[in-house]
Amino acid sequence: NAGVTQTPKFQVLKTGQSMTLQCAQDMNHNSMYWYRQDPGMGLRLIYYSASEGTTDKGEVPNGYNVSRLNKREFSLRLESAAPSQTSVYFCASRQTDTQYFGPGTRLTVL
Amino acid sequence: QKEVEQDPGPLSVPEGAIVSLNCTYSNSAFQYFMWYRQYSRKGPELLMYTYSSGNKEDGRFTAQVDKSSKYISLFIRDSQPSDSATYLCAMRSIQGAQKLVFGQGTRLTINP
Repeated sequence: NAGVTQTPKFQVLKTGQSMTLQCAQDMNHNSMYWYRQDPGMGLRLIYYSASEGTTDKGEVPNGYNVSRLNKREFSLRLESAAPSQTSVYFCASRQTDTQYFGPGTRLTVL
Repeated sequence: QKEVEQDPGPLSVPEGAIVSLNCTYSNSAFQYFMWYRQYSRKGPELLMYTYSSGNKEDGRFTAQVDKSSKYISLFIRDSQPSDSATYLCAMRSIQGAQKLVFGQGTRLTINP
């Protein structure tokens, strides 16, 4: 039982490049989330998916897109990366009031 | 103004001390309150969960909610070096099952 897994662990992009962050959970949870964590800002919700086939915007969705590929997988795409998107990205899944977080992806945009 | 305010610290205390971590919030609709612990370069994990007002104890940890003051606290008794981590408060309204609002996190170091 791996819980929530994220790939890659680290990534460096140049401004304007695109990439997709992958997330998968093996706990059969319906709800999944993408957060970013910046110093002094806590965790901010980018997008979430309440169930397979649905996605909704969170607090900071601009510059991102998501896909809920199936119940297990929820990906986050940066179409044209900007330095302001340098951050640590966490994926989570939820059962009742417990969110289970992945280990994070450290992204640097130069 | 942020909905949830948390002093980012850092906070450094000697081993064995009682630690008090706090958050204030502005949204009176918040009913569910949580504390997450995040070790360095790891994802957060749920530590404590309380509903509405009152206290909840779990071993050396006590979570306290004062809804009249819009103030929540986490107390750690007999603190250990293994408690060194960032502690994030989080909360949501009854309708906001999908949207937790997090505080900024407080970085805590327990010195042996």
